[in-house]
Amino acid sequence: DVVMTQSPPILPVTLGQPASISCRSSQSLVYSDGNTYLSWFQQRPGQSPRRLLYKVSIRDSGVPDRFSGSGSGTDFTLKISRVEAEDLGVYYCMQGTHWPPYTFGQGTKLEIK
Amino acid sequence: QVQLVESGGGVVQPGRSLRLSCAASGIPFSTYGMHWVRQAPGRGLEWVAVIWNDGGNKYYADSVKGRFTISRDNANNTLYLQMNSLRAEDSAVYYCASTSLGGPGEYWGQGALVTVSS
Repeated sequence: DVVMTQSPPILPVTLGQPASISCRSSQSLVYSDGNTYLSWFQQRPGQSPRRLLYKVSIRDSGVPDRFSGSGSGTDFTLKISRVEAEDLGVYYCMQGTHWPPYTFGQGTKLEIK
Repeated sequence: QVQLVESGGGVVQPGRSLRLSCAASGIPFSTYGMHWVRQAPGRGLEWVAVIWNDGGNKYYADSVKGRFTISRDNANNTLYLQMNSLRAEDSAVYYCASTSLGGPGEYWGQGALVTVSS
């Protein structure tokens, strides 16, 4: 199975400042069709997960443009240009290239510094 | 608007069975593959199973293979997860989610809590 490793596990942030979360996979996530199936999810306290980005960098409908994704191969990054209070929660990366199983990172908790 | 509503959760003894349902509305259910994803208390997300839109293909996590069965009723826009031989480590919130290219996608339910305890 592909192992997804996120860092840091906890990210203290200041509102209005940028934030960055790293996700690394144990194998390249480039699929035979040329696409890279790496998604990012946000889970606010007490809520269901919400997908933010798919295929590395494509934002889902309604996702603010302060969220961006980048990376290739085995190294990926989620960036928030200016953190807002509503962004607090846990973020997960997930690979959908080498399935089954689909595998998630262990999560990164975004909290106020 | 799109709604996925899970039901059927509860407290069950080890070794017993439980069936979860996920009722979909606001989407053309029969055109979507569907997943179950679970989250143990205080833990991260774990993919459980996926079923193709026509029910023709099903895949499972090794941790549930042989014990859980995913199925669907497209006439009634409902997804199911039959869970047999439950173990304490199956205790979790179970979410249903629509599929998209690359796995669980943009639509998720609110979750159903399953607690396996004697």
